[in-house]
Amino acid sequence: QSVLTQPPSVSAAPGQKVTISCSGSSSNIGSHYVSWYQQFPGTAPKLLIYDTNKRPSGIPGRFSGSKSGTSATLGITGLQTGDEADYYCGTWDSSLSAGVFGGGTKLTVL
Amino acid sequence: EVQLVESGGGLVQPGGSLRLSCAASGFTFSSYWMHWVRQAPGKGLVWVSRIITDGNSTSSADSVKGRFTISRDNAKNTLHLQMNSLRAEDTAVYYCARCSRGDSSNFDYWGQGTLVTVSS
Repeated sequence: QSVLTQPPSVSAAPGQKVTISCSGSSSNIGSHYVSWYQQFPGTAPKLLIYDTNKRPSGIPGRFSGSKSGTSATLGITGLQTGDEADYYCGTWDSSLSAGVFGGGTKLTVL
Repeated sequence: EVQLVESGGGLVQPGGSLRLSCAASGFTFSSYWMHWVRQAPGKGLVWVSRIITDGNSTSSADSVKGRFTISRDNAKNTLHLQMNSLRAEDTAVYYCARCSRGDSSNFDYWGQGTLVTVSS
């Protein structure tokens, strides 16, 4: 069981918008920045969002991040078939003194 | 160009040991906290361990405490993970990752991963 909770899968049509939720607690999301990663099969994860809502250079503005209380959300607009991947949220947990990830969400672009 | 290249994975029997290495280049290795993250086949990402810039402080997941040791050699730009008393559930691809800012989970660069298989 992952410390952070994500939906196992989400889907939407090309061009549409999708959001992926990440639920935690006061010791992790509630008190730390959140990062989001995109992973294609057989490859290493790639940083999409850091410090909850910042995009590294090269990441399109279609990707956004936000947080409210103990939950975080990744938003993707203008969906493309190339966005089909697994998405993970991550942060630090003060109680565990450990990094924590969500279980991952598989995005399908129908 | 930032590069992280893991090595040292392979097949090991339960109870055995392995030492993973991560060779870093393209950045000032000694200025960054470094982490190990693993991923069992078909499963999600799991944080394993972290080491600060000078190596004087480390943290590890409860599942590996007392068995795995993270270390670094800043002179050789290399990160290590010594894994002892390996179990079947340690089977995974192990990634080293650079943390862009010390006390954060911003893993901005990852290696390609090295597969560790624990089986008799």
